[in-house]
Amino acid sequence: AQSVTQLGSHVSVSEGALVLLRCNYSSSVPPYLFWYVQYPNQGLQLLLKYTSAATLVKGINGFEAEFKKSETSFHLTKPSAHMSDAAEYFCAVSEANAGNMLTFGGGTRLMVKP
Amino acid sequence: NAGVTQTPKFQVLKTGQSMTLQCAQDMNHNSMYWYRQDPGMGLRLIYYSASEGTTDKGEVPNGYNVSRLNKREFSLRLESAAPSQTSVYFCASRSGRALGSYEQYFGPGTRLTVT
Repeated sequence: AQSVTQLGSHVSVSEGALVLLRCNYSSSVPPYLFWYVQYPNQGLQLLLKYTSAATLVKGINGFEAEFKKSETSFHLTKPSAHMSDAAEYFCAVSEANAGNMLTFGGGTRLMVKP
Repeated sequence: NAGVTQTPKFQVLKTGQSMTLQCAQDMNHNSMYWYRQDPGMGLRLIYYSASEGTTDKGEVPNGYNVSRLNKREFSLRLESAAPSQTSVYFCASRSGRALGSYEQYFGPGTRLTVT
């Protein structure tokens, strides 16, 4: 069975600082990995995805994530936080042999201080 | 393209009442999903439909039923609402091709309160 752990339910950074949101997964087969962002009172929007091509994946709004198989991690980073990045971020894993179901982590709320 | 649409946006029910949440997508996707979102628990899958004419239980199906009305529409029904079903409900769709890499597209959500 697949599972996702997001370390830190709340992360606070200053505007201009590095953003690092952590995601670790467990999967019995090579996974597909996703980061979604949810702005207040909205649905989820895809930020980026890993599909077994390049291990460093670039997404929208300056975010990127690196797949590290040895660490079973897929951490999300952004070099310089902007006030508009304040949102909740979800990591998710999918396995092709599990009916392509998405399993989500518990989410990390990012707060950006001026 | 409207993407994935959901109605209603908000609903308040009394315990024991029933209601149906509607979802439609205009992307010609094969697979559709219903999730509930609760604080600190991420999104949990209630039911899904891999293709028109099929539905399957997810992680938390108790108290819910679904209907895949056609390729576009996938509804979620609460027959007898309980306070534990107070949540935000999201519908999603996916192209449904074999590889697991294809992402899901989400609707704006329905905020349901059961008193």
